[in-house]
Amino acid sequence: KNEVEQSPQNLTAQEGEFITINCSYSVGISALHWLQQHPGGGIVSLFMLSSGKKKHGRLIATINIQEKHSSLHITASHPRDSAVYICAVRGGATNKLIFGTGTLLAVQP
Amino acid sequence: AAGVIQSPRHLIKEKRETATLKCYPISRHDTVYWYQQGPGQDPQFLISFYEKMQSDKGSIPDRFSAQQFSDYHSELNMSSLELGDSALYFCASSLTVNNEQFFGPGTRLTVL
Repeated sequence: KNEVEQSPQNLTAQEGEFITINCSYSVGISALHWLQQHPGGGIVSLFMLSSGKKKHGRLIATINIQEKHSSLHITASHPRDSAVYICAVRGGATNKLIFGTGTLLAVQP
Repeated sequence: AAGVIQSPRHLIKEKRETATLKCYPISRHDTVYWYQQGPGQDPQFLISFYEKMQSDKGSIPDRFSAQQFSDYHSELNMSSLELGDSALYFCASSLTVNNEQFFGPGTRLTVL
């Protein structure tokens, strides 16, 4: 069982829909990252969270440390949001990131 | 402000050759991380440096070595390349450890 699990693995949405991607982890962490990767492309850091909630534009990320769970929400989704969204955690005693398997999002016009 | 720069962006090598990948962190960032992402795989942590010293080590093969220089740029040296080394190699930087990591565009290495 992976230390970081994401769901769903694949998600297709219509433009304008509200999207939620979930991440659960089984290790103690000092921070959780949400990353975006376009096909064949580089990785963009969206959020780093250690508690609570953060918002940037149409993106919202929340984390519940007690439940070891985080969610990434996209409001008013757009085809340009189509990408792989990756949850990655940083363990308490280390600065390396442990990556989830990613969620492939396709937003159709 | 300029982001993390990696060079080259693409590299094609033959088996048993050597390769050097370079990473230039964001200005004032003193911590560099290397990750390897095989085809269809999650990125895997290789190694990290803080203030020119190795700070953490992951699943980096003995054939690979890395270092961080006085200007904080880092180089990943890969020898005796194997077909399985074909991957996207990401570098990330942060301002000290435990801060948000910013990723470079990656170097796509193909070993033939």
